[in-house]
Amino acid sequence: DAKTTQPPSMDCAEGRAANLPCNHSTISGNEYVYWYRQIHSQGPQYIIHGLKNNETNEMASLIITEDRKSSTLILPHATLRDTAVYYCIVRAPTSGTYKYIFGTGTRLKVLA
Amino acid sequence: KAGVTQTPRYLIKTRGQQVTLSCSPISGHRSVSWYQQTPGQGLQFLFEYFSETQRNKGNFPGRFSGRQFSNSRSEMNVSTLELGDSALYLCASSLGTAEGKLFFGSGTQLSVL
Repeated sequence: DAKTTQPPSMDCAEGRAANLPCNHSTISGNEYVYWYRQIHSQGPQYIIHGLKNNETNEMASLIITEDRKSSTLILPHATLRDTAVYYCIVRAPTSGTYKYIFGTGTRLKVLA
Repeated sequence: KAGVTQTPRYLIKTRGQQVTLSCSPISGHRSVSWYQQTPGQGLQFLFEYFSETQRNKGNFPGRFSGRQFSNSRSEMNVSTLELGDSALYLCASSLGTAEGKLFFGSGTQLSVL
C-alpha cells in the first residue's frame, strides 16, 4: 500500500497562502491522492482529490508533480478557521474495493 | 441533505463490558466504513460495509465487529472492552463507487474505565 509522508506541523500567517506538502513516492498509476482536514474533536472533512492533473475547488488547490511522487495542497488565503490537522491520503484499490490509509497528518496553525 | 449521524456522542463503559455504536449514512450512500482514532495510533481503518456485506477489514481483533442493515445504517460492536479501546470511533459514508469521497460523522467518544 502506498504510504504518505507529511511534515508534522506548520505555521502560516492569516491571509497568506498555506502550502502543505505530501510525499507519496510509492504511489501506483491508478491511485488517487485525497486531502482531508480534521478540526479538533470533529470528523475529518473532505477537501480535494486528484489523480494526475492539478485540481481546484472552492476550498483549495491541489498540485501533483508530473511523476506523481508528491503533491501540495494550497489554501490560497488562510484564515484562523483553517487551523486543523491536514491528512494527505492515497486511496489504494484492494480486493475489489478501496482502502484509505491515513498517515499522521500535518498540524497547521494559522497565526493572527 | 442530512450528514452522517453517529450515536451516542459520548459513552463510558467499564472493562469487560460490550458496546454498540450506531451510524446513519447520508441518504443514498451505500458504503459505510469505521475508523478508530487514538492520540498514539492516529486514524486506523476498522472495516467497510457495502450493501450489507463486509468488503474490507482492517487489522483489529475479532472483538470488533460490525454489520449493515438494508437501509445502509450500520452498527459496530466491541465485546469484552479493554482500556486500550478508549478512542474516538468515526463512521464515514460514501457512494461506494470508484471515486469515493468519504463523509465523516462527528464520532463517538468511548471511554473505558
